[in-house]
Amino acid sequence: DTGVSQNPRHKITKRGQNVTFRCDPISEHNRLYWYRQTLGQGPEFLTYFQNEAQLEKSRLLSDRFSAERPKGSFSTLEIQRTEQGDSAMYLCASSPGGSYQPQHFGDGTRLSIL
Amino acid sequence: DQQVKQNSPSLSVQEGRISILNCDYTNSMFDYFLWYKKYPAEGPTFLISISSIKDKNEDGRFTVFLNKSAKHLSLHIVPSQPGDSAVYFCAAGGNEKLTFGTGTRLTIIP
Repeated sequence: DTGVSQNPRHKITKRGQNVTFRCDPISEHNRLYWYRQTLGQGPEFLTYFQNEAQLEKSRLLSDRFSAERPKGSFSTLEIQRTEQGDSAMYLCASSPGGSYQPQHFGDGTRLSIL
Repeated sequence: DQQVKQNSPSLSVQEGRISILNCDYTNSMFDYFLWYKKYPAEGPTFLISISSIKDKNEDGRFTVFLNKSAKHLSLHIVPSQPGDSAVYFCAAGGNEKLTFGTGTRLTIIP
């Protein structure tokens, strides 16, 4: 069990640039989730996939954000035209699906907007 | 609107004693509750969970209690060990997504 892997671990970029993060879930986990965490807060749900289908998106996910899971394995989260308020830790989690299955998190990508 | 609340930002407990972390929720549609532990620079690590059909679940030193009428859950750690020092998040789920509290920083004093 290799766990959920996220890359890069840190990303520093200038305001207005586009960034893309990658998440590799635990193999055979068909559900994949993205969360965002800011200082002093718990993770906040952004979106989730079952296989390649994106089933739910939070209102936090503005039209500058897009997530994909093209083959039902890894996922990418892209933020276009980054803003200061996008600075946060972006966490990915996966679960095997079914009722009452815990989500297992990666170590996150920390995004800093200059 | 915070649907999951952890009202104690921090807690200090002597090594070997019991640590009790509390969590309240407001949404009666939640039917699955989890506790995660988080060390600095790492993602949350799953500890223990409970479904709404139970009122207690144990796993080694960790026990979670659920009081549905009070919309309250607690995590008991006994005996507390230095490695338990971390931030603990309570989370609640219903339709797949999890809603997290703001966390409680637990410090175990040797």
